[in-house]
Amino acid sequence: EAQVTQNPRYLITVTGKKLTVTCSQNMNHEYMSWYRQDPGLGLRQIYYSMNVEVTDKGDVPEGYKVSRKEKRNFPLILESPSPNQTSLYFCASSLGSMNTEAFFGQGTRLTVV
Amino acid sequence: GENVEQHPSTLSVQEGDSAVIKCTYSDSASNYFPWYKQELGKRPQLIIDIRSNVGEKKDQRIAVTLNKTAKHFSLHITETQPEDSAVYFCAALTGGTSYGKLTFGQGTILTVHP
Repeated sequence: EAQVTQNPRYLITVTGKKLTVTCSQNMNHEYMSWYRQDPGLGLRQIYYSMNVEVTDKGDVPEGYKVSRKEKRNFPLILESPSPNQTSLYFCASSLGSMNTEAFFGQGTRLTVV
Repeated sequence: GENVEQHPSTLSVQEGDSAVIKCTYSDSASNYFPWYKQELGKRPQLIIDIRSNVGEKKDQRIAVTLNKTAKHFSLHITETQPEDSAVYFCAALTGGTSYGKLTFGQGTILTVHP
């Protein structure tokens, strides 16, 4: 089954404790991206990657890191999480960056206390 | 960078009525405009999209219109049903130097009353 898989689905952590949210897709998609969803603000792009080893900042990259060492994986890293990073996070992939449907993962609900 | 404004933030209609959601964008280089539907507790899913060389696109009860000159696009849902209740997001894909950057609107909570 074609899908985008994120882990974990839920995470509660403490300020400053490094964490990684994994994202994997099995559709051989070139383009992957991370979004955070906050009430009233919609979906805001954190980082995106147009291919392996190619990443770029979205609208809200501060406090986040990503890597794209393999085509299928695009982990989101929070080196020192803070409470303002409490949010619902979505990973998405698409065949290309242009004009194609984005397939979203199930979402990761992150709480930083 | 691109800025996408979406209105209204909430929309309540009676079953069978039409619903219209409007978005404006700022970057004239944007050339692809998808609409996503997100049901409660679920992931966003594409329902329709339009490219900048097209003015209107229709898929059953859903249609999207694009006015490039005015830089706005709209989602039209006819004969609404309770299962249309969800959050709807518009988005704009930026061209130019920020190629590949997808900017979403703030979302519209649509409630269809039986």
